[in-house]
Amino acid sequence: QSMLTQPPSASGTPGQRVTISCSGSSSNIGSTTVNWYQQLPGTAPKLLIYSNNQRPSGVPDRFSGSKSGTSASLAISGLQSEDEADYFCAAWDDSLKYWVFGGGTKLSVL
Amino acid sequence: QVQLQESGPGLVKPSGALSLTCAVSGGSISSSNWWSWVRQPPGKGLEWIGEIYHRGSTHYHPSLKSRVTISIDKSKNQFSLKLSSVTAADTAMYYCVREGDYGDYGKAFDIWGQGTMVTVFS
Repeated sequence: QSMLTQPPSASGTPGQRVTISCSGSSSNIGSTTVNWYQQLPGTAPKLLIYSNNQRPSGVPDRFSGSKSGTSASLAISGLQSEDEADYFCAAWDDSLKYWVFGGGTKLSVL
Repeated sequence: QVQLQESGPGLVKPSGALSLTCAVSGGSISSSNWWSWVRQPPGKGLEWIGEIYHRGSTHYHPSLKSRVTISIDKSKNQFSLKLSSVTAADTAMYYCVREGDYGDYGKAFDIWGQGTMVTVFS
């Protein structure tokens, strides 16, 4: 079993648009939906995007998600200092029947 | 508003067993949700441990399956984690999590406990 693949870090300046990628396989991203989580320093993760591109109530529309084949992306537009956090993607692996996470991407707002 | 609260020993000896409980408040554990445990070693990423449904069905992470048991106590509205034969590699923040059911949109971890730190020390 292996994790989904994310870049370890990303960065941008206030107001910019940044994207974070998440790569998997046919048994996870390729056959199920992708969720994204935001973890602010010292806090529990928070659901940011579910089902590839759906935002839970209260999540700003600056956050968007997409999926194509065995890869997914999280985009953050109008970057703000409070977006500085770790971001994790996750998907259900339908072959081995378990949830698999990406390694996480640390976003810095310069 | 459903809330989750983890409890259990913060220190466990190597080769011993880690036992944690998650109390569910503001809702019923017998709702149509799966309930999971997720852990995060210091400075590292998230790792899913396993999940349980109120009828007792479970799924476990393939690499932990031989050491993990997740159980549910509907009378106390709580679920528990037991991880046996622990080593230093099991030192982590442990979160209990609800999987929200979004119907055709699938499932996602929508409610998280605050987490409890467990250290395996000798």
